[in-house]
Amino acid sequence: DVKVTQSSRYLVKRTGEKVFLECVQDMDHENMFWYRQDPGLGLRLIYFSYDVKMKEKGDIPEGYSVSREKKERFSLILESASTNQTSMYLCASSFASGNTDTQYFGPGTRLTVL
Amino acid sequence: DQQVKQNSPSLSVQEGRISILNCDYTNSMFDYFLWYKKYPAEGPTFLISISSIKDKNEDGRFTVFLNKSAKHLSLHIVPSQPGDSAVYFCAARDLGGFKTIFGAGTRLFVKA
Repeated sequence: DVKVTQSSRYLVKRTGEKVFLECVQDMDHENMFWYRQDPGLGLRLIYFSYDVKMKEKGDIPEGYSVSREKKERFSLILESASTNQTSMYLCASSFASGNTDTQYFGPGTRLTVL
Repeated sequence: DQQVKQNSPSLSVQEGRISILNCDYTNSMFDYFLWYKKYPAEGPTFLISISSIKDKNEDGRFTVFLNKSAKHLSLHIVPSQPGDSAVYFCAARDLGGFKTIFGAGTRLFVKA
């Protein structure tokens, strides 16, 4: 079974704090993704990575950065958290063999920024 | 501008009846479509997919229909069961394949 784990299920931070969200997958997937899920907006792609040290901006990268130093780990960084970044954050991974590959998601991290 | 639209935020169905979840898209470059199911406190899980060269794909109780001319797809669940109560996300990809565009989701309630 593919397993995607996220470091925290719930996180509360203050405005201006630096926040790290960690994601680890155990299936040797090339691709990894970070989404945020908001009511009425569905899942929106923040960043993705198709290889170690490679990253591409998604649809809403502003205010975020990412790091992929190892194949199995993809980190999302909020340099200076703001209240509009309160959301559910979902990590996913997939093989790189084509556009028919499904993504496997972690359980999500619910981040609240006060 | 949402490229994948699920216009019904919620749907309520009696156990044993058919559930029909709808999805519309605007980008004609999309060629692969997926449905994901999400329970509370869990990440989405893949349910079923369809390529643009097909108009129907079936997997047990779940069938996805694609109408390319109308840029519309639908997910049919027959018969619906209480365990099907979840949020269903429609998603689409283009030939490039890296990015998956998700709809806003439809929350399905199946009443026993």
